[in-house]
Amino acid sequence: QVHLQESGPGLVKPSETLSLTCTVSGGSVNSDNYYWSWIRQSPGKGLEWIGYIYYNGNTNSNPSLKSRVTISKDTSKNQFSLRLSAVTAADTAVYYCARGTKWELLAGAFDIWGQGTMVTVSA
Amino acid sequence: DIQMTQSPSSLSASVGDRVTITCRASQSIRNYLNWYQQKPGKAPELLIYAASTLRSGVPSRFSGSGSGTEFTLTISSLQPEDFATYYCQQSYSTPDTFGGGAKVEI
Repeated sequence: QVHLQESGPGLVKPSETLSLTCTVSGGSVNSDNYYWSWIRQSPGKGLEWIGYIYYNGNTNSNPSLKSRVTISKDTSKNQFSLRLSAVTAADTAVYYCARGTKWELLAGAFDIWGQGTMVTVSA
Repeated sequence: DIQMTQSPSSLSASVGDRVTITCRASQSIRNYLNWYQQKPGKAPELLIYAASTLRSGVPSRFSGSGSGTEFTLTISSLQPEDFATYYCQQSYSTPDTFGGGAKVEI
C-alpha cells in the first residue's frame, strides 16, 4: 500500500524559499507509471497544481509558478522535494504531495495523496 | 489554461436524496475528467477517473458522465458519509486544473 508523507517547516518568511519533502513508502519514485506531484490548496485559489517530477528526472510545473519552482528527487531515500522561492503571503496554503498517473492507467488522475502540510508565509 | 467551472458551489441535501454536480470545461477535454471527494482537514480522494470509471472500492451510488466540455457527478442516494466537498480536475493538458468545488451539506 503506497503512502506519501510531507515534511518541512510550517512557517516561512516573505522573500525566503519554501522547502518541502515527500517521503514515499510502499512504492518507488523510479516507477515510470507515475508523476510525483505537488498540489496546494488555499482559501483564495482552491486547488492548484504546482508541478511534477517523472522517474527519469524530467519535470514540469505550472507556468504561473514556473520561475520560482524547483522539483527534485532523491532515489536513495525514495523522496521527492519542492522548493518555491521568493514566497509571499499568497503562497500560504496547505501543500500536498500526490501520485499522478499516466493516462493509460488512471487518465492522469491523482490517486494517492499525502495528508498535507500547512505552510504559512509571515514575518 | 483550461478553466473548470463547477455548479452549484454548494447545495443542501438530505440522506437518500439524488444529487447531481456539474463541471464545465472552457474547451474540450475529451474524457480526461476526474472527480474527487474532500472532507474537512483531509486530502482529496479520487472517486472517478476518465469521466465515468469508478475507482476500485468506491461505492456504486457514485457515477460520472459526460465528455467534451460538460460533465456530471451523480450520487444516487446520499449517505451520511457523503457530506463533503467535491472537485473536478482536467488532465487533458498541463497545467492540470481543478474546479472550485461543490460543497454538499445537510
